[in-house]
Amino acid sequence: DVKVTQSSRYLVKRTGEKVFLECVQDMDHENMFWYRQDPGLGLRLIYFSYDVKMKEKGDIPEGYSVSREKKERFSLILESASTNQTSMYLCASSLRGAGTEAFFGQGTRLTVV
Amino acid sequence: GENVEQHPSTLSVQEGDSAVIKCTYSDSASNYFPWYKQELGKRPQLIIDIRSNVGEKKDQRIAVTLNKTAKHFSLHITETQPEDSAVYFCAAAPSFKAAGNKLTFGGGTRVLVKP
Repeated sequence: DVKVTQSSRYLVKRTGEKVFLECVQDMDHENMFWYRQDPGLGLRLIYFSYDVKMKEKGDIPEGYSVSREKKERFSLILESASTNQTSMYLCASSLRGAGTEAFFGQGTRLTVV
Repeated sequence: GENVEQHPSTLSVQEGDSAVIKCTYSDSASNYFPWYKQELGKRPQLIIDIRSNVGEKKDQRIAVTLNKTAKHFSLHITETQPEDSAVYFCAAAPSFKAAGNKLTFGGGTRVLVKP
């Protein structure tokens, strides 16, 4: 079974803190993604990566950055957390190419107070 | 970029009835259309997908139809059961490899199957 593991299930951070969300996959997938899930808005793409050290902005990259130093690990960074970044964050991975299944992590519920 | 709209946002059906969820997309370059199911507190999981060279695909009680001309696709669940209760997401992705399978999701449909 493909496993996509996110480092935390729940996080509470203070406004202005730098926050790191970690994601690891064990299936040697080239593609990795960070999505944000909010009620009624579906899953919105923040950043994605096709390969090590490569990154592309998604639809809502403002306030976020990413790092992919190793193929299996993709980190999402909130440079200065704000209350409007309170959300569920989902990491996903997939094989290279068009039309391949995305496998999701269990999600991190981040609350910024 | 791609924009995917999904309707309805909530759907309540009686057990045994059918459920239909509809999605529209904007980018004619999209040709991969997966559907994900997310049960309460769990991660989204792929339940069925369709590519643009196919008009319909079935897997037991679920089916997906695609109309590329009109840019819409639908999920059909027949003989609904309580375990079908979940949030369903449609998505669209472009065909070319350079896009890296970038999925754009709809807003989701919360389906409640009443026993």
